[in-house]
Amino acid sequence: AQTVTQSQPEMSVQEAETVTLSCTYDTSESNYYLFWYKQPPSRQMILVIRQEAYKQQNATENRFSVNFQKAAKSFSLKISDSQLGDTAMYFCAFMRYQGGSEKLVFGKGMKLTVNP
Amino acid sequence: EAQVTQNPRYLITVTGKKLTVTCSQNMNHEYMSWYRQDPGLGLRQIYYSMNVEVTDKGDVPEGYKVSRKEKRNFPLILESPSPNQTSLYFCASRARQGFEKLFFGSGTQLSVL
Repeated sequence: AQTVTQSQPEMSVQEAETVTLSCTYDTSESNYYLFWYKQPPSRQMILVIRQEAYKQQNATENRFSVNFQKAAKSFSLKISDSQLGDTAMYFCAFMRYQGGSEKLVFGKGMKLTVNP
Repeated sequence: EAQVTQNPRYLITVTGKKLTVTCSQNMNHEYMSWYRQDPGLGLRQIYYSMNVEVTDKGDVPEGYKVSRKEKRNFPLILESPSPNQTSLYFCASRARQGFEKLFFGSGTQLSVL
């Protein structure tokens, strides 16, 4: 069974600093997708970044980048130049799609607070 | 505007009283799904649908029903709600091959007394 583990339930960082959120997963699949979602106090789920397992290059989206280590089954998110608006819950998620069947699994989430 | 619309946003009900949470998308997406979010547990998939009249169970389907009679709508039905179904519920949709973008609704906070 696929599992996603976010070992840090809560973190805080000063504005403008860099922070890394960790995520590990467990699967026997070779082809899958990984995501980081952000949930601010408004409760809206916002896609931050995605990574396809067959791509070796780490995904980046502006201040957000990932360190994808397929062999170690690790998918950490780095936020550079943290901003107050980055304060939110962050969820790591794993998805595999095969022959009309889909499995999407989320981690338990991590609360990030950016302090002024 | 492309969106997934859930209603209601907040709902308080009593044990055993049947309820339906509606979900509608205007993007002609084939895939729709329901999740529940509980503190310390993250989001867990309840049901998903790959297309009209095609539905399948997720990780926590017990106590829930769904139907997909039209492409745009995917209601979540609680025939006999219980307090352990108190949760924040999200509907989501995406295009068939659109793995990069899952569109979420705004959520429905359900309290079952």
